[in-house]
Amino acid sequence: DQQVKQNSPSLSVQEGRISILNCDYTNSMFDYFLWYKKYPAEGPTFLISISSIKDKNEDGRFTVFLNKSAKHLSLHIVPSQPGDSAVYFCAASYQYNQGGKLIFGQGTELSVKP
Amino acid sequence: EAQVTQNPRYLITVTGKKLTVTCSQNMNHEYMSWYRQDPGLGLRQIYYSMNVEVTDKGDVPEGYKVSRKEKRNFPLILESPSPNQTSLYFCASSQGQGVVNSPLHFGNGTRLTVT
Repeated sequence: DQQVKQNSPSLSVQEGRISILNCDYTNSMFDYFLWYKKYPAEGPTFLISISSIKDKNEDGRFTVFLNKSAKHLSLHIVPSQPGDSAVYFCAASYQYNQGGKLIFGQGTELSVKP
Repeated sequence: EAQVTQNPRYLITVTGKKLTVTCSQNMNHEYMSWYRQDPGLGLRQIYYSMNVEVTDKGDVPEGYKVSRKEKRNFPLILESPSPNQTSLYFCASSQGQGVVNSPLHFGNGTRLTVT
């Protein structure tokens, strides 16, 4: 049972345009969400996070939006650059009950074309 | 350089032959964890450790063992590997207790093939 789902395995975007990566979760106990980026032959690296007390968090070109009622979060990259081409994983955790557990989605491979 | 080091990077073995994948971090992190990455399934947590001598099961612990005798090391042990354990494995660590407010630092992965 996949508690965190990324339903789009891949996404292709033109350089300079907006990339929107989506993530849905089923467990309402999740209260902390993260995005990681992964290049081939490397481990994932942390990108941005959001707590459930917020609905938006920005860091430069990256913005994460959280819609708790829909159990949905999205990552916006504006403007997209070729170096953003990677696999993006969303992840969810329980902040207070089980601080060590982290549930990842399946990943979305983003390709930004020059 | 701050890093999480896994060894080996690639490993091919046969069913039933015990193996250990080592993981070491030089950042004095309290939290460490193991994940496996499989196509269509993303990253799934195998075991995690909040501190020395404290380990807990993740979502897919069957067939794996871990130990945390020292803060810096968190080896993953497969006592009797089977072909369904063929996967890409990642070790990760973070400062503080758990993953909240403290991003994970991942190693570069170990590609394991069990024939």
